[in-house]
Amino acid sequence: NAGVTQTPKFQVLKTGQSMTLQCAQDMNHEYMSWYRQDPGMGLRLIHYSVGAGITDQGEVPNGYNVSRSTTEDFPLRLLSAAPSQTSVYFCASSIGQGVGHNEQFFGPGTRLTVL
Amino acid sequence: AQSVAQPEDQVNVAEGNPLTVKCTYSVSGNPYLFWYVQYPNRGLQFLLKYITGDNLVKGSYGFEAEFNKSQTSFHLKKPSALVSDSALYFCAVTGEGSSNTGKLIFGQGTTLQVKP
Repeated sequence: NAGVTQTPKFQVLKTGQSMTLQCAQDMNHEYMSWYRQDPGMGLRLIHYSVGAGITDQGEVPNGYNVSRSTTEDFPLRLLSAAPSQTSVYFCASSIGQGVGHNEQFFGPGTRLTVL
Repeated sequence: AQSVAQPEDQVNVAEGNPLTVKCTYSVSGNPYLFWYVQYPNRGLQFLLKYITGDNLVKGSYGFEAEFNKSQTSFHLKKPSALVSDSALYFCAVTGEGSSNTGKLIFGQGTTLQVKP
């Protein structure tokens, strides 16, 4: 199993550009999530999904969209990038529809810089 | 609202000495608590979790954590630190119940530095 994969590893955008961060998992996990990691802030939940066709907002959803058309994929879209979105983005997945009991498996991250 | 506090930005310990990384939490209902570790330029890796039962939970790489309900704490411990334990450690919490589904809240992280 490849686990959780993310592409690209690095990305530089100009303010106002759009892009999609890709995330895929091959473990048949129901739950998937996106976090951003900023120095001194820990990880903050952006959006999450408890199954195909179901998404919900986390702590910091503004400026980001998600969709979950398949169990395997959970892309994160930035519609109009802003410098405040410069961060490292992590995708994670876990068994079941919640995180109450189950460990999350994290991808390697995407380092995004918005100029 | 759920919250997690890791009061120390950095913990320094000599190799072979015991280590403690502190975590306190606030959550409605019974807590589900986790520790994750992040090595440089890597994603997070699961270390251990507390769901219910024995207050002392054991995890990967010789780490353990003690759940203390009265002090709302979940400190990470290891009896004898290794230089290879040097990394960034995150405590995370969610709560029992449907309102908490999907909402795992992380602390800001504690850098552990183990010196030879």
